[in-house]
Amino acid sequence: GNSVTQMEGPVTLSEEAFLTINCTYTATGYPSLFWYVQYPGEGLQLLLKATKADDKGSNKGFEATYRKETTSFHLEKGSVQVSDSAVYFCALSERDGGATNKLIFGTGTLLAVQP
Amino acid sequence: NAGVTQTPKFQVLKTGQSMTLQCAQDMNHEYMSWYRQDPGMGLRLIHYSVGAGITDQGEVPNGYNVSRSTTEDFPLRLLSAAPSQTSVYFCASSYSSLDNYGYTFGSGTRLTVV
Repeated sequence: GNSVTQMEGPVTLSEEAFLTINCTYTATGYPSLFWYVQYPGEGLQLLLKATKADDKGSNKGFEATYRKETTSFHLEKGSVQVSDSAVYFCALSERDGGATNKLIFGTGTLLAVQP
Repeated sequence: NAGVTQTPKFQVLKTGQSMTLQCAQDMNHEYMSWYRQDPGMGLRLIHYSVGAGITDQGEVPNGYNVSRSTTEDFPLRLLSAAPSQTSVYFCASSYSSLDNYGYTFGSGTRLTVV
């Protein structure tokens, strides 16, 4: 079945460092891909998305490009801040019975940014 | 708009007790889902619904029931709580096309079964 694999965490960075969180997927068809962020004690918030190959999603300085040839959707940010400390989840949409009605999530990657 | 509202935020149950986790959304979303979040396992889909009167099982449905009598509400029932159901539960909703919108999540219910 469809699945999402994320790099293990935690990822610890100093403020203003470059961030990459790897995400690869296995899927039939052409899913949409998402990054969600979860701040401590809160629910998940949609960070960015891409709906087809070569699309780039971006938001709040974060970017990810839908790479069909490498089945990847890596999250990047050029300069992280302490406020970016959170858990990041990669996800894909799954089609069942003709309708896209599920999101499949990776295990999440904890990012800790130190001042 | 309130978005997706989950109650309660915290709950402690004894093994064998039953309870209902409430979820309501005021965005007229057709799609609703329940996920559980456990350390090292990400979010796993319990049940989902694509509209009022329609529900289906996700990855980990055992021990849980759902119903969708209205568009707004999607309660999750634990029939006989077990320690393995200790988790954080998230309700989510979306417009019909998950491809374009993804899910909007509630703030979660932290459940402990002793």
